[in-house]
Amino acid sequence: AQTVTQSQPEMSVQEAETVTLSCTYDTSESDYYLFWYKQPPSRQMILVIRQEAYKQQNATENRFSVNFQKAAKSFSLKISDSQLGDAAMYFCAYRSAYSGGSNYKLTFGKGTLLTVNP
Amino acid sequence: SQTIHQWPATLVQPVGSPLSLECTVEGTSNPNLYWYRQAAGRGLQLLFYSVGIGQISSEVPQNLSASRPQDRQFILSSKKLLLSDSGFYLCAWNSVYYDGGVSSTDTQYFGPGTRLTVL
Repeated sequence: AQTVTQSQPEMSVQEAETVTLSCTYDTSESDYYLFWYKQPPSRQMILVIRQEAYKQQNATENRFSVNFQKAAKSFSLKISDSQLGDAAMYFCAYRSAYSGGSNYKLTFGKGTLLTVNP
Repeated sequence: SQTIHQWPATLVQPVGSPLSLECTVEGTSNPNLYWYRQAAGRGLQLLFYSVGIGQISSEVPQNLSASRPQDRQFILSSKKLLLSDSGFYLCAWNSVYYDGGVSSTDTQYFGPGTRLTVL
């Protein structure tokens, strides 16, 4: 079974600065997807960024980028120019790329609570 | 565009009472549907998923059940709630596509959630 570990329960950053959230995972599969979701105080889960394991290039979405290290099974999220609206719980998640059965499910880490200080 | 709805947004129920949470998706056909639960201070745990009408798979044994009476409707139920059923319940969907006869799925998108408190 796959596991996802977020070793930082809480992080803080000054507005306009950069912060990196860590995520490691364990899997025996070679093809999979990794995600970062954001959960603001409203508690709705919002997709931040997605990475396909077969792609070597790191995904980027505006101020959000990832450092995907497949051999190390590491998937960190970098937030540049942090804004007050970035304050939220951030979850790292894994999904198998193989079809069928419970391979469709997302396996989540326990989350990192990000505080942005003005 | 696709949207996902959940209701109610908040629910307070006594122990032993029944439960019915509803999730509907608009703007897509034949989605995969999921029920997750988030306990306080923890990540999300998959409870049920469905790949089609009447097709339900359970991930965790419990006193909850799920049904999919229509293509875009997913219902989470219980006959008798327990204190441990308290939590935040999220419904999610993703589209399914076929590439060379092999099915694959896209990113999961989540509804706004239901906060359930069992007293």
